[in-house]
Amino acid sequence: AQSVTQLGSHVSVSEGALVLLRCNYSSSVPPYLFWYVQYPNQGLQLLLKYTTGATLVKGINGFEAEFKKSETSFHLTKPSAHMSDAAEYFCAVSGGLTGGGNKLTFGTGTQLKVEL
Amino acid sequence: GAVVSQHPSRVICKSGTSVKIECRSLDFQATTMFWYRQFPKQSLMLMATSNEGSKATYEQGVEKDKFLINHASLTLSTLTVTSAHPEDSSFYICSATDYRVTEAFFGQGTRLTVV
Repeated sequence: AQSVTQLGSHVSVSEGALVLLRCNYSSSVPPYLFWYVQYPNQGLQLLLKYTTGATLVKGINGFEAEFKKSETSFHLTKPSAHMSDAAEYFCAVSGGLTGGGNKLTFGTGTQLKVEL
Repeated sequence: GAVVSQHPSRVICKSGTSVKIECRSLDFQATTMFWYRQFPKQSLMLMATSNEGSKATYEQGVEKDKFLINHASLTLSTLTVTSAHPEDSSFYICSATDYRVTEAFFGQGTRLTVV
């Protein structure tokens, strides 16, 4: 069984400031971890994913995340926020190719607001 | 990434009628497709998993007779909301994957409004 906890349903940052969105997971098998972004009335866009290998993964639009097994975390960061980053962000976990396929369990989401 | 097309993007239907939503993988063969439902300002909840040529596996609490899922080919899955009621109004999203890849690819979603 898997679960995802996203701390903070709403995060507000100033333009140019660091973005930190928190995600903790629980998984009975080695997890695959994902961050998605969703704009209003749209589907999900993959920002980045961790499957195996290097624990610091870089994604699109300047985002990155670090898989920390000891902390069961996969926090999303971006050094400098842009107005266009304002959106809903979802962390998700799957069991990977050997742990149930690509069925995702999502966190509750974090709404990121970027202020001038 | 691979392209998944979901149609229609928006649909309004009368209470009691049925609505069909299509999910197509355009550039790969999707052995598995997932259907999610998202209520306003909430997360995505998995409704069912469909494997090509097999009956869909529904999550607990999802009425299989109300939400009919068909996955007759490797590129197409459909979700039919039967006898729709206003409480079925929601955002429905599909995703498609294959056992050889490490992620699922999402459609654009369908906003269903039942009046």
